[in-house]
Amino acid sequence: DAGVIQSPRHEVTEMGQEVTLRCKPISGHDYLFWYRQTMMRGLELLIYFNNNVPIDDSGMPEDRFSAKMPNASFSTLKIQPSEPRDSAVYFCASSNSGFLGELFFGEGSRLTVL
Amino acid sequence: ELKVEQNPLFLSMQEGKNYTIYCNYSTTSDRLYWYRQDPGKSLESLFVLLSNGAVKQEGRLMASLDTKARLSTLHITAAVHDLSATYFCAVDNSGSEKLVFGKGMKLTVNP
Repeated sequence: DAGVIQSPRHEVTEMGQEVTLRCKPISGHDYLFWYRQTMMRGLELLIYFNNNVPIDDSGMPEDRFSAKMPNASFSTLKIQPSEPRDSAVYFCASSNSGFLGELFFGEGSRLTVL
Repeated sequence: ELKVEQNPLFLSMQEGKNYTIYCNYSTTSDRLYWYRQDPGKSLESLFVLLSNGAVKQEGRLMASLDTKARLSTLHITAAVHDLSATYFCAVDNSGSEKLVFGKGMKLTVNP
């Protein structure tokens, strides 16, 4: 079975540019989570979806961040405009039973904003 | 606000030795998860602990959960180099379905 697939794996961009990160969850999973990992703050939950509906976006840092899940097999996290402090590894994870089961993480998208 | 603390955050140990690492959390929860992350890689689920007194073992690692003490331990037996990684614990923030992660413990096992 394919795991959670994220793209791009690496992105280098300049401040002010729009960044779009993509995620394909494991087929059949009904929860999708976006996390951000930095040395200073560790792993932070940004937003999560259940059956394509955003449930909690209180972790989204600012209005510059937005996330969508148009269908069960695809989600995007967009940053517009990007800033150097957004540099981090962004992980997407999915599960089929909320937090009762395991979270399956993608390989992450490493974002560098210059 | 739920806080999850791990200690130590860095550990260097010799192969063959035993050690226990700790994960404390600040509010009531019955669910705790341990993950492993290799450098530059994703997080891999190790253990899911769903009740007080739960104990799970896989190879040289054994995890336990004491919900009354709000404490989980991850015990390493006869460490080998392949166990070198960062280990995270994560706790379900009861009622909100948020999973809050600790800062992670970077383990280095030296030959």
